[in-house]
Amino acid sequence: EAGVVQSPRYKIIEKKQPVAFWCNPISGHNTLYWYRQNLGQGPELLIRYENEEAVDDSQLPKDRFSAERLKGVDSTLKIQPAELGDSAVYLCASSSVRGLAGGNLNEQFFGPGTRLTVL
Amino acid sequence: GDSVTQMEGPVTLSEEAFLTINCTYTATGYPSLFWYVQYPGEGLQLLLKATKADDKGSNKGFEATYRKETTSFHLEKGSVQVSDSAVYFCALSDDGFNKFYFGSGTKLNVKP
Repeated sequence: EAGVVQSPRYKIIEKKQPVAFWCNPISGHNTLYWYRQNLGQGPELLIRYENEEAVDDSQLPKDRFSAERLKGVDSTLKIQPAELGDSAVYLCASSSVRGLAGGNLNEQFFGPGTRLTVL
Repeated sequence: GDSVTQMEGPVTLSEEAFLTINCTYTATGYPSLFWYVQYPGEGLQLLLKATKADDKGSNKGFEATYRKETTSFHLEKGSVQVSDSAVYFCALSDDGFNKFYFGSGTKLNVKP
């Protein structure tokens, strides 16, 4: 079974430019997470989706960050405009509800991440 | 709010040494506890988990016991290998809410 897929793996942009990250979760996983991981730190949640609904976006900087999960499968995270402080690894993860679709309750599966560098 | 605190690294050990990475948590409910491992250039992988007090999670020679009385979930391994070099993250999830909180990670370096 394929894992969580993210693209691109690396992105280098200049400040004030827009950037978008894409995530394809494990098939059947209804919960999708976007995290930001700064160097030397643990992941910090940006947004969590249950199917197509954003159920927790309290940590998403809404002035420049946006996300969508149309049809409750793939998701896109966008930053516009990017700032120097946005340089980080952006991780996508997915999980299923109570053992459905081959997952266990509360177990997340992570993608490899997108390393963003803003110059 | 809920949070996880883990010992700062890096931790440097010789091969076959005993490993302990401390993790304590704060939670209002009955969380599940996890250890994730991140190898260089890769995403986080679940190493082990425990879903209730006194449960012991184990995998690949690593183990951790959910201690409610001390709110701890320390990671241990009896004999580390060079291939265990990675960053280890302790995490908890809210009971029933699918929300996860991660520690800041502990880098482990194992020397031959």
